[in-house]
Amino acid sequence: QKEVEQDPGPLSVPEGAIVSLNCTYSNSAFQYFMWYRQYSRKGPELLMYTYSSGNKEDGRFTAQVDKSSKYISLFIRDSQPSDSATYLCAMSEGLTGGGNKLTFGTGTQLKVEL
Amino acid sequence: ETGVTQTPRHLVMGMTNKKSLKCEQHLGHNAMYWYKQSAKKPLELMFVYNFKEQTENNSVPSRFSPECPNSSHLFLHLHTLQPEDSALYLCASSHEASKAFFGQGTRLTVV
Repeated sequence: QKEVEQDPGPLSVPEGAIVSLNCTYSNSAFQYFMWYRQYSRKGPELLMYTYSSGNKEDGRFTAQVDKSSKYISLFIRDSQPSDSATYLCAMSEGLTGGGNKLTFGTGTQLKVEL
Repeated sequence: ETGVTQTPRHLVMGMTNKKSLKCEQHLGHNAMYWYKQSAKKPLELMFVYNFKEQTENNSVPSRFSPECPNSSHLFLHLHTLQPEDSALYLCASSHEASKAFFGQGTRLTVV
C-alpha cells in the first residue's frame, strides 16, 4: 500500500465549476499537509500549507484536513482555464536531523474547459 | 520566481559523461533537498541537507553524489548514469520542517 494515494485523473470540468481534489494517507506521523500546483515543464508551486485538522481558505482555494480519517482535500471555486495543471498533495514529518521529508501523491491532472 | 534557482534547465548527457546540477536559494532557508520526478510516478526524495549536513539519503545509487558547500548552494554530481535516470530533477529549500519551495527543475536526458 502506498503511503499517499491520489487519483491521477485526468479530471475535466467546465469553467466556473467547483473542483474537489483528494488524497488519503496511511502514516499517522504526518504533521504537515501541502498542496502544490505544477504546470507542464515547471517546478511545483506551493498553493496551500496546513498543519492541523480543519479548513484553511485562501482566495478561491480551500484546503481541508481530517486527521482522524487520514484524508485531505483541496477545493477550487469558480475554476478558470488557468487552473489547468497537475495538483500534487504532499505530507511531511520532521526529520530528527532537521529539515523534513515530503511524501507526495502521484498528482491529479486537471483541465478546466471554456 | 520562487527564490530557488536551478541550472541548467535542460541537460543531455552520455552514459560515460560527468556533469553537475546546481541549485541556489535566496530565501534564507537552512534545509535543501534534491527530488527526482519521473513520468507517472510521485516525486521521490533523494537527499536532505540541514545546515550543510546531510540528514537523509534515500538509498540513492552512488552515481548520484550531492554536495552542499553552504546553506544557500546545493549540487548534484552525476557520473556513469543510465537511461532510466532520465527525469526532472528538482531542488527545494525550507526553513526547518516547514513548507518547501521548489526550483523549476533540470530536465535530464541520458543517452
